[in-house]
Amino acid sequence: SQQGEEDPQALSIQEGENATMNCSYKTSINNLQWYRQNSGRGLVHLILIRSNEREKHSGRLRVTLDTSKKSSSLLITASRAADTASYFCATDASNTGKLIFGQGTTLQVKP
Amino acid sequence: NAGVMQNPRHLVRRRGQEARLRCSPMKGHSHVYWYRQLPEEGLKFMVYLQKENIIDESGMPKERFSAEFPKEGPSILRIQQVVRGDSAAYFCASSPGVQETGELFFGEGSRLTVL
Repeated sequence: SQQGEEDPQALSIQEGENATMNCSYKTSINNLQWYRQNSGRGLVHLILIRSNEREKHSGRLRVTLDTSKKSSSLLITASRAADTASYFCATDASNTGKLIFGQGTTLQVKP
Repeated sequence: NAGVMQNPRHLVRRRGQEARLRCSPMKGHSHVYWYRQLPEEGLKFMVYLQKENIIDESGMPKERFSAEFPKEGPSILRIQQVVRGDSAAYFCASSPGVQETGELFFGEGSRLTVL
C-alpha cells in the first residue's frame, strides 16, 4: 500500500511567505526524508529525520516528525521563486534505501 | 565528483521493442536503486542492487523487466516487449551504503515513451 500521503497536492504562495507541506504514512519507519524535484529533473535530497528525532533544521527548512500520529511536516520559510518545485516525502522502514514516496506537493512561489 | 549518470535521457520505442536504460552510480557508491515515476505521481521502488547481486526486487513486474549491476560497468534496467503502460520516467539512485547517511543520490532520469 502507498506509504506516504501528502497534502496539499498543490500550493501557491507569494515570495517571502512560508510554505508548509504535510506527509502522513501508515507503518513504522526507520527514517523519513524529503526530496525536491524540479520539472523534468531528478530528485534532490533535502533533509532526513530519524524515527527518534522530533525536529530538524537545515537553512530555511524545518522538518518535524510525530511518530505517534505517523506524520511529518516540511516548512520552508521566506520562500523564493526558485523554491518552485514538487516536494516529496519518502519513508524508509528498513534502513536499506528502499524508499516509499508520497504523491508530492507542487509548490509555486510567485515573485 | 560526477553525480549519478543515466542514459539515454529520452528513449522512444514502439510496442514490442526492447528498452535498455543505463545507470552509472556516483564514484564510491556500490548500492544502486531503480524507481519508476508515472506522470503526476511519486516514485515507485522497483529494485535494489549491489555489485553482482539483486538485494530486493519486490517492486519489479514479474515479466519483461530485469535489472543487473555487473562487476564492471553500469547498472542496466531492461524492459522487453514494451507496452504503452511502460511509458514513464525511470530514475536511478545510488548510495555508499545507507547505514552511513540514509540519503539517496538520484540521476536525472530516463524518460521512456512507447508509441
